[in-house]
Amino acid sequence: DSGVTQTPKHLITATGQRVTLRCSPRSGDLSVYWYQQSLDQGLQFLIQYYNGEERAKGNILERFSAQQFPDLHSELNLSSLELGDSALYFCASSVTGDPGNTIYFGEGSWLTVV
Amino acid sequence: AQKVTQAQTEISVVEKEDVTLDCVYETRDTTYYLFWYKQPPSGELVFLIRRNSFDEQNEISGRYSWNFQKSTSSFNFTITASQVVDSAVYFCALFNTGNQFYFGTGTSLTVIP
Repeated sequence: DSGVTQTPKHLITATGQRVTLRCSPRSGDLSVYWYQQSLDQGLQFLIQYYNGEERAKGNILERFSAQQFPDLHSELNLSSLELGDSALYFCASSVTGDPGNTIYFGEGSWLTVV
Repeated sequence: AQKVTQAQTEISVVEKEDVTLDCVYETRDTTYYLFWYKQPPSGELVFLIRRNSFDEQNEISGRYSWNFQKSTSSFNFTITASQVVDSAVYFCALFNTGNQFYFGTGTSLTVIP
């Protein structure tokens, strides 16, 4: 158990819909990361937050957005869903978000778009 | 350009054999960090090791060992006396000072009893 909690674990939704994935970081961690793992793209970094502010942005689509709240939990919003968005979405956290920190991953949220 | 290459897509070994998973990286940064993660069939990513670019000492943790060589930009992972529970996908990753995390495509290891 990494200490990073993600909900829901599994989600099935239809194309065009919107979903929200939630992440609670490890206790004491201020930085949160989101990743997408799909069959064709591998593991892709989406976005990073530190203490409520966006710190780094990766290959995140405009249809996707995220935020980190004052209590440090984070949400990833996926809208206008397409079949290709079906993937395992990971949240991870680290203490300060600096490169030297170890990043711990949650168990992931499986999203299936039908 | 930053890049992580895991050339071995799939490896199968018989239990108790040793196996080495290769990882080659590219970066122009002088300060960077290398990671290995294990992804068992259940899907979660489990942290195995972190290495910074200034520490080339090899590390051993039980049956796991890592060989970091800056001269060849490699960070290879060896499992000694493999066990069925080692069956998983293993990811090598590079984290640079731009706060970007680059993953390899993973090596799927199957340990046959």
